Amino acid sequence: KQEVTQIPAALSVPEGENLVLNCSFTDSAIYNLQWFRQDPGKGLTSLLLIQSSQREQTSGRLNASLDKSSGRSTLYIAASQPGDSATYLCAVRANSKLTFGKGITLSVRP
Amino acid sequence: SQTIHQWPATLVQPVGSPLSLECTVEGTSNPNLYWYRQAAGRGLQLLFYSVGIGQISSEVPQNLSASRPQDRQFILSSKKLLLSDSGFYLCAWSKGSLDTEAFFGQGTRLTVV
Repeated sequence: KQEVTQIPAALSVPEGENLVLNCSFTDSAIYNLQWFRQDPGKGLTSLLLIQSSQREQTSGRLNASLDKSSGRSTLYIAASQPGDSATYLCAVRANSKLTFGKGITLSVRP
Repeated sequence: SQTIHQWPATLVQPVGSPLSLECTVEGTSNPNLYWYRQAAGRGLQLLFYSVGIGQISSEVPQNLSASRPQDRQFILSSKKLLLSDSGFYLCAWSKGSLDTEAFFGQGTRLTVV
């Protein structure tokens, strides 16, 4: 059974810091990995999708990497801003299912 | 462009009452559709998914059921709600191939009292 882990559960950083959010998964037989952002009380917004054959994807200040063989992904946020404060979830797709981690709640202090 | 609509946004229901949450997708055909529940401290749990009209797969035994009466409509139901059914329910869709991106609705906050 696929398990996705995100540690730590919460993170607080000062504005401007570059930071890395980690995600690990137990079964490397995945089709893709997706990073989402969730604001309090809201749905999930897709940030980046990495196919299993890819190593990384970039969108603006965000860069996500994937090491499928070791079961790891990282989301790099450059020059963090208070508006980046949210919960970040990673999810892996195997067959028709997305399996989620519990998320990392990020707080960026002004 | 594709959009996903989910309603209502919030719902307060008494124990034992029925439930019907609706999700519709626009701008695509034959999507895969999903219902997730997010409980505090437990992450997102996949409840049901559907790869076509009338095809429903259930992931966990529970007090809920799902139906897909039309290609782009997915409904989550219960005949009698339990307190433990409270949570944040999210509908999602993706294209039929397995390597595509998933998109989520804005969610329904259900409180069973």
